Amino acid sequence: AQTVTQSQPEMSVQEAETVTLSCTYDTSESDYYLFWYKQPPSRQMILVIRQEAYKQQNATENRFSVNFQKAAKSFSLKISDSQLGDAAMYFCAYNYGQNFVFGPGTRLSVLP
Amino acid sequence: EAQVTQNPRYLITVTGKKLTVTCSQNMNHEYMSWYRQDPGLGLRQIYYSMNVEVTDKGDVPEGYKVSRKEKRNFPLILESPSPNQTSLYFCASSLFLGAVEAFFGQGTRLTVV
Repeated sequence: AQTVTQSQPEMSVQEAETVTLSCTYDTSESDYYLFWYKQPPSRQMILVIRQEAYKQQNATENRFSVNFQKAAKSFSLKISDSQLGDAAMYFCAYNYGQNFVFGPGTRLSVLP
Repeated sequence: EAQVTQNPRYLITVTGKKLTVTCSQNMNHEYMSWYRQDPGLGLRQIYYSMNVEVTDKGDVPEGYKVSRKEKRNFPLILESPSPNQTSLYFCASSLFLGAVEAFFGQGTRLTVV
């Protein structure tokens, strides 16, 4: 069965600095999707960034970028110029077919 | 506005009293699913539906039922809730499975006493 691991339950970053959240996953498939979701205190699940496994190029959305290492099954999220509004729980997720698997989450605090 | 609407947002109930959490989407999405979120476990899939009248079990289906009689609605039914079903529940929909963003509802905080 596919699994998603986020080894950092909590992290903190100074405002305007850069932080990287780690995610590893286990799969035997070659064509799948990976996501990072943000969950602020409002509980809303917000898509941050999405990566197709068949694409070599790392996805980027404004201040958010990923480092996708397919062979290592690693999918880390980099947040640049961190803002107070980035404080949230971040979930890494894997999708192949009907299997949609989330990691346990990393709680990010942003310090002023 | 494109959205997934869950009701209620908060619910406290007693063991054994049947309840339904409703989920509705206005985007004509084919794929809908239910998740529960527990601390340290992330979100786990309960049931999913590929289209009307097509549903299947996710990773943690025990104690839950679903139905998909209309494309827009996908209710979650707890026939006899137990305290271990106390959790935060999310409904989600997407145009089709996997290829695009999943839209999530606002979540339902369920407490079973």
